[in-house]
Amino acid sequence: DAGVIQSPRHEVTEMGQEVTLRCKPISGHDYLFWYRQTMMRGLELLIYFNNNVPIDDSGMPEDRFSAKMPNASFSTLKIQPSEPRDSAVYFCASSFGRGPSGNTIYFGEGSWLTVV
Amino acid sequence: SQQGEEDPQALSIQEGENATMNCSYKTSINNLQWYRQNSGRGLVHLILIRSNEREKHSGRLRVTLDTSKKSSSLLITASRAADTASYFCATAIYGNNRLAFGKGNQVVVIP
Repeated sequence: DAGVIQSPRHEVTEMGQEVTLRCKPISGHDYLFWYRQTMMRGLELLIYFNNNVPIDDSGMPEDRFSAKMPNASFSTLKIQPSEPRDSAVYFCASSFGRGPSGNTIYFGEGSWLTVV
Repeated sequence: SQQGEEDPQALSIQEGENATMNCSYKTSINNLQWYRQNSGRGLVHLILIRSNEREKHSGRLRVTLDTSKKSSSLLITASRAADTASYFCATAIYGNNRLAFGKGNQVVVIP
């Protein structure tokens, strides 16, 4: 299995620009998660989907952040407009079945975002 | 809020020694999981222990869970340089599909 695939791996953008991060979960997985990792706050869950439907977006920091999952094999996390404090590593992860309550989740390699 | 607080935060050991990390949490859990993160990489699942289990082994890894103390430990035996990484505990709460991660525990194994 190819694992969770994220793109881009690295992105440097200027403040105010739109950033779109992409994720392809593991085939057959029905849960998809977006996490953000920073030194200060550690790993934070931003949003998760079950069967392409957003279930909990309480971790999305503000309206500048949005996430979509148009089908079972693709999800995007968009930041518009981006700010320097959005600089972080963004991880996509997926799992199958009962989700984290019963199973492990599999992480992608992350998208390293720097906003200057 | 974050559940799962690892202790100690950083550990430096010689190759061949054992490394032990602890994790505490606050609320009742369904399971507790340990993940490893190598520098610049994503998190990799190591082991999952359910709330009704007390100990679990996987290769050189041994995990214990004490639900009365709301704590878990991860033991890496006969450490290798390749074990150098950050280790995270994560808790899954009943009825909640959120997996809450601790801040991580950096382990450096000196060859």
